Amino acid sequence: AQKITQTQPGMFVQEKEAVTLDCTYDTSDPSYGLFWYKQPSSGEMIFLIYQGSYDQQNATEGRYSLNFQKARKSANLVISASQLGDSAMYFCAMREGLYFGNEKLTFGTGTRLTIIP
Amino acid sequence: DGGITQSPKYLFRKEGQNVTLSCEQNLNHDAMYWYRQDPGQGLRLIYYSQIVNDFQKGDIAEGYSVSREKKESFPLTVTSAQKNPTAFYLCASSRKRTGNEQYFGPGTRLTVT
Repeated sequence: AQKITQTQPGMFVQEKEAVTLDCTYDTSDPSYGLFWYKQPSSGEMIFLIYQGSYDQQNATEGRYSLNFQKARKSANLVISASQLGDSAMYFCAMREGLYFGNEKLTFGTGTRLTIIP
Repeated sequence: DGGITQSPKYLFRKEGQNVTLSCEQNLNHDAMYWYRQDPGQGLRLIYYSQIVNDFQKGDIAEGYSVSREKKESFPLTVTSAQKNPTAFYLCASSRKRTGNEQYFGPGTRLTVT
């Protein structure tokens, strides 16, 4: 079974609109972390936001917020007021077992976001 | 400026040749990782290392080898045993603590013909 599922291969969004990128995950470990990365056409992976399984509040970083619904095992990324520079691939990733010595990440297949002027 | 460097950006090799991809970091991070990315796919973990002189296989280690002789450096060798070596290779590093994000280098695009 896929550990990380991103069901939207591509999305087109008008500039200045908000956008939600979907991510569902599968784990039986009660301790885990969820990450979102942005990959522009240059190829480098840029860290955006992190949510720990025990965090009480949804994570926010500037225009990025993570809509964490633990019971549904979903961790959707919300980008407010989208900009042309937001056009990129977006990857959801999970780390199972938040203990020292286990830093492996499992990635989803990504969503290509295109912002339309 | 602190960061991760990977060289070269593009690499071309003939089938049957071993090739070594460089990864250096000056972030004083303990852990380093190598990922492979194929078109339309997410990243898959090849090898990772949490301390010097120690490393573990990831999900797709066959046909690859690594070394970690220095904290700053984690080179990846793509051997002739790797059946489909053409891919985009990304190196990353992280601090050893819970919730830590991984920082990525710019990547090396390897083409084997």
